[in-house]
Amino acid sequence: QSALTQPPSASGSPGQSVTISCTGTSSDVGGYNYVSWYQQHPGKAPKLMIYEVSKRPSGVPDRFSGSKSGNSASLTVSGLQAEDEADYYCSSYAGSHNWVFGGGTRLTVL
Amino acid sequence: QVQLVQSGAEVKKPGASVKVSCKASGYTFTNYYLHWVRQAPGQGLEWMGLINSNTGDTKFAQKFQGWVTMTRDTSISTAYMELSRLTSDDTAMYYCAKSLGDYASGRVHYFDYWGQGTLVTVSS
Repeated sequence: QSALTQPPSASGSPGQSVTISCTGTSSDVGGYNYVSWYQQHPGKAPKLMIYEVSKRPSGVPDRFSGSKSGNSASLTVSGLQAEDEADYYCSSYAGSHNWVFGGGTRLTVL
Repeated sequence: QVQLVQSGAEVKKPGASVKVSCKASGYTFTNYYLHWVRQAPGQGLEWMGLINSNTGDTKFAQKFQGWVTMTRDTSISTAYMELSRLTSDDTAMYYCAKSLGDYASGRVHYFDYWGQGTLVTVSS
């Protein structure tokens, strides 16, 4: 199972919006609405930020939003804040009890 | 509150095996999948497999089939992941993660609580 494709880096200034893409295939992202996004600060475990393409778990700010079109999904962070600087990973169900992650995107707040 | 507490760091020689534990608390252990995810130094996340904490059924990523074992002890709400025939490529942080929803929900595809990670170093 190949990893989903994410840009290695993204950046934005405080208050701006940034969008991170996640590209898969019809066997994973395109085939299921089971896309999620995780935030990982250095030395910490990942944290669930978005599930089922666009839903936010309790406690996640509404500055974080998700969407999907075809074989690609996106995470948008609006109103960037310094604490948003982290690595972000997308994940998708890939059928037959298999899951796949993206390679990760390092978000830098300028 | 939900907690997943993993066993401590391990240093192993090539060819050896390692067994990592993940003790759960704060929820009904047998109602949720436990996934295992690893992260090599400076690299991304890699899904390894899961265990149905109720039945003990397991599913593995194709890459790990034949050399990873996942078990659980429901009496102590603890899951285990054992990796055999270790090589330097297996040096990584290993995480357990609980599924967001229980088996009856449609939310088994997401990982809402994670252990703190167990660093496994393979070195001669």
